[in-house]
Amino acid sequence: EPEVTQTPSHQVTQMGQEVILRCVPISNHLYFYWYRQILGQKVEFLVSFYNNEISEKSEIFDDQFSVERPDGSNFTLKIRSTKLEDSAMYFCASTSFGVNEKLFFGSGTQLSVL
Amino acid sequence: SQQGEEDPQALSIQEGENATMNCSYKTSINNLQWYRQNSGRGLVHLILIRSNEREKHSGRLRVTLDTSKKSSSLLITASRAADTASYFCATPTMDSSYKLIFGSGTRLLVRP
Repeated sequence: EPEVTQTPSHQVTQMGQEVILRCVPISNHLYFYWYRQILGQKVEFLVSFYNNEISEKSEIFDDQFSVERPDGSNFTLKIRSTKLEDSAMYFCASTSFGVNEKLFFGSGTQLSVL
Repeated sequence: SQQGEEDPQALSIQEGENATMNCSYKTSINNLQWYRQNSGRGLVHLILIRSNEREKHSGRLRVTLDTSKKSSSLLITASRAADTASYFCATPTMDSSYKLIFGSGTRLLVRP
């Protein structure tokens, strides 16, 4: 079965640094998502992306966050100036028909902000 | 706002027993999905049930949906140690077709 690929699997950064988390969604999918999960807590929606623009974002997704689909295959999440509380597992997901069908998730990037 | 909330938060059973997890939600939905997460790993889709369906089966999984009570249940029959994982329900919200909201999950431990 096709997979969503995320890199790196682990990222350690200093507070205030910029990080870019990378995702390669399934090739014919049209809807893309970022979620995050702080250790032991629930999976939180960050942003959805469709037709080359953000379609929905949560309160968490403030000006420090941005997403991009630079080349038609990659989907990136950038955090401009990381905070300690950004430490979490970040999951990318994709789907063909939006949230009325199943989402395919990547295995996540564990971000640790020191 | 919380959309899906699972009950119980944690469940420990013996291998071979059945496990039942419940999910309640607040707003109208057109589908409800269940996902599984092994410790520290990504989420894997298990089953999707649409609002006009009452029950759905997939292997050892059985999902029910009661839209009048805004609740769903996931039953895993004849559990195995490999079923040990966290299980989440997730729903889209009617005010957005671009967002799937996850509940807080049930941590299932199946003892060999």
